[in-house]
Amino acid sequence: KQEVTQIPAALSVPEGENLVLNCSFTDSAIYNLQWFRQDPGKGLTSLLLIQSSQREQTSGRLNASLDKSSGRSTLYIAASQPGDSATYLCAVGSGAGSYQLTFGKGTKLSVIP
Amino acid sequence: GAVVSQHPSRVICKSGTSVKIECRSLDFQATTMFWYRQFPKQSLMLMATSNEGSKATYEQGVEKDKFLINHASLTLSTLTVTSAHPEDSSFYICSSRDNAAQYFGPGTRLLVL
Repeated sequence: KQEVTQIPAALSVPEGENLVLNCSFTDSAIYNLQWFRQDPGKGLTSLLLIQSSQREQTSGRLNASLDKSSGRSTLYIAASQPGDSATYLCAVGSGAGSYQLTFGKGTKLSVIP
Repeated sequence: GAVVSQHPSRVICKSGTSVKIECRSLDFQATTMFWYRQFPKQSLMLMATSNEGSKATYEQGVEKDKFLINHASLTLSTLTVTSAHPEDSSFYICSSRDNAAQYFGPGTRLLVL
């Protein structure tokens, strides 16, 4: 059974800092990995999707890497802003058609102005 | 990107009543929709996979007679929590997929008194 762990559970940084969020998974037989953002009481916004054959994806100030063999992914946020404050979820797609998503518990990020 | 809506966004009900949550894909047809549940500070857990025109597939430990799922059209899936109890209070999120990715609804907060 796939298990996804995110460290740290919470993180507080001053505005402008670069930061890294970590995600690890137990079964390396994955189809893809996604990073999501969840604002309080809201649904999920997809940030980056990395296919199993890829090593990284970039979107603006966000960069996600994937090391499938070691079961790890990182989300790098450059020049953090208060608007980045949210919970960041890592989800691993496995099973036929990558329809089965297994989520981590998330990292709650607070960017202090 | 694709848009998924949910209704209602928040519902409070008395113990023993039934609650229906709607999930709609607004700009694409979804043959498959997913229902997740998220307890506070926990990860999203897949409850069931809803297939248009056929019976839903439930994850282990999810009671199919308690959580009734109907996916009668390509744009609408409903989740009915029957005889709700306080322990059913949670955040319910649906998602639907196209060939590219999964898209998540904004979620429904259920509070059972």
